[in-house]
Amino acid sequence: DGGITQSPKYLFRKEGQNVTLSCEQNLNHDAMYWYRQDPGQGLRLIYYSQIVNDFQKGDIAEGYSVSREKKESFPLTVTSAQKNPTAFYLCASSRLAGVTYEQYFGPGTRLTVT
Amino acid sequence: AQKVTQAQTEISVVEKEDVTLDCVYETRDTTYYLFWYKQPPSGELVFLIRRNSFDEQNEISGRYSWNFQKSTSSFNFTITASQVVDSAVYFCALRGGAGNQFYFGTGTSLTVIP
Repeated sequence: DGGITQSPKYLFRKEGQNVTLSCEQNLNHDAMYWYRQDPGQGLRLIYYSQIVNDFQKGDIAEGYSVSREKKESFPLTVTSAQKNPTAFYLCASSRLAGVTYEQYFGPGTRLTVT
Repeated sequence: AQKVTQAQTEISVVEKEDVTLDCVYETRDTTYYLFWYKQPPSGELVFLIRRNSFDEQNEISGRYSWNFQKSTSSFNFTITASQVVDSAVYFCALRGGAGNQFYFGTGTSLTVIP
């Protein structure tokens, strides 16, 4: 089945460590996105990419990095510079144009840093 | 500027009651897309509906219906005869602007009491 996979579902890290969250899609979508969600809050855009080897900062990119070496993959690294990394991270993908224009989301990764 | 406002932060209804979730948007684009997503306790956002700016026809899908009114910049979502399984956070979103970005509202948390 087509969809978006994120792994792992739960991730625990010690403060000061970098951690990479995986996101893979087999929907043949050009665009991919990373969002952060804090308890009781909405979605905040971290990074997005519309084409391989290119990506743009979203509203809260500080302390995060991404890469887009393949169309299917858009990993997110939470660096030690991110002051409050504990959150729920959602990956999404979409077409850039066409009738089916909506974003599809993965199941998310809950990151806890202590 | 693009903006989506969901003024209702939390709503509680008793099972079988009807409930309407409000969504008001701002955009200067003539072409844009509106969406509703459901986020159950598991966390994954589930796509419910897409509507483009040229299609003001209301839509009904089972117990769900959507009312799109460009005159009031609103895209409201009604659940008829609510059920406990409808308990979730619902997000309204807008796609438009330069770069065709997605803009999410802050979400409405719906609790259906048995």
